[in-house]
Amino acid sequence: DTGVSQDPRHKITKRGQNVTFRCDPISEHNRLYWYRQTLGQGPEFLTYFQNEAQLEKSRLLSNRFSAERPKGSFSTLEIQRTEQGDSAMYLCASSLAGGGAHRSTDTQYFGPGTRLTVL
Amino acid sequence: GENVEQHPSTLSVQEGDSAVIKCTYSDSASNYFPWYKQELGKGPQLIIDIRSNVGEKKDQRIAVTLNKTAKHFSLHITETQPEDSAVYFCAANYKLSFGAGTTVTVRA
Repeated sequence: DTGVSQDPRHKITKRGQNVTFRCDPISEHNRLYWYRQTLGQGPEFLTYFQNEAQLEKSRLLSNRFSAERPKGSFSTLEIQRTEQGDSAMYLCASSLAGGGAHRSTDTQYFGPGTRLTVL
Repeated sequence: GENVEQHPSTLSVQEGDSAVIKCTYSDSASNYFPWYKQELGKGPQLIIDIRSNVGEKKDQRIAVTLNKTAKHFSLHITETQPEDSAVYFCAANYKLSFGAGTTVTVRA
């Protein structure tokens, strides 16, 4: 399968614990995006990388959240001191952006998501 | 930032009929409008997208129209089939501001 993959698919944790999710993009894609989706809503943008550089972060990304893409390939999203309000589906998407333009409208392909439940 | 509104929130159609979903956006600078289909427990799947240099795009039974002056765009599905049942999301802009989704049910 050459699509976007995410691990784990499901995570149940207790409030206050730290969790880390991984996203592997489509292999030749240079951009990687993180979104959060709560029940009955559309996904909300969190952050995105071009290669290893984190170019933009949403106000939704509190200081408990950190994302990395150290080698410009896979990415991790860590949530520290989880709260019940963090329960959601965390989606990763990747795209191939040409020309280096910061806001180019490249097509994004989504992974299956990681469903987080904070008890 | 961009604000995308989507209507209706639910849509039930008879198999073979057409389905239309409409979205409006707020940022006149937005120039990219994809549509995604999401099935239960899965990530969104791109079904069609349109850029602001065209007004309409078709792919078999699916078409999208864009009116930049009015800042709205629509998804049209013709000859609906039961496998078209899913949640459909419109989005705008490079960092994808999504609508709230439309749950489409195709009755056999």
